[in-house]
Amino acid sequence: GAVVSQHPSRVICKSGTSVKIECRSLDFQATTMFWYRQFPKQSLMLMATSNEGSKATYEQGVEKDKFLINHASLTLSTLTVTSAHPEDSSFYICSAPDLIYGYTFGSGTRLTVV
Amino acid sequence: DQQVKQNSPSLSVQEGRISILNCDYTNSMFDYFLWYKKYPAEGPTFLISISSIKDKNEDGRFTVFLNKSAKHLSLHIVPSQPGDSAVYFCAAVISSGSARQLTFGSGTQLTVLP
Repeated sequence: GAVVSQHPSRVICKSGTSVKIECRSLDFQATTMFWYRQFPKQSLMLMATSNEGSKATYEQGVEKDKFLINHASLTLSTLTVTSAHPEDSSFYICSAPDLIYGYTFGSGTRLTVV
Repeated sequence: DQQVKQNSPSLSVQEGRISILNCDYTNSMFDYFLWYKKYPAEGPTFLISISSIKDKNEDGRFTVFLNKSAKHLSLHIVPSQPGDSAVYFCAAVISSGSARQLTFGSGTQLTVLP
């Protein structure tokens, strides 16, 4: 089946630094990638939708300059958390639609900002 | 404005019994619904889905029921097994939408007791 590989699975960074999270579709082309964020015991909240070759669409309340999304190819989308702060600590997950109504999720990235 | 709601944050059932997880939605434009299972620090795993033209879909131990008039769906797991213990998310999508992003409920933690 379709696989989305997400790296890193876990990262700890210092406050003020930037962290890049990668999601690769391994056996299909992902023209669209959804980026979600999950706080403990809460739902997955859509942050932004990236589209290959065009600018990402951000949900209301998500800072574009803080969460940089790049979708340079049909198999790779990246999310960069810039100038990270402790409140950015969360679980970030990507998801790509595949075939019809299928959604494949990455394994998630646990970001801890200290 | 939560368009997809899971009002029970947790549910405990005995092994072998039926687990019933409920989900309500408010947006009548949703026409496709999915259930995902999620373990801590992992991405969601697809379980089962249902189109709005159906009222029931069954796959092994998992059955999803949809009541369009009540804007309600439920996931039945029978018999429940300890390995089913996880967080279950329902999600909805407008299939005709250009972005087709999923809207998630807040999840229900299912614990199956041996």
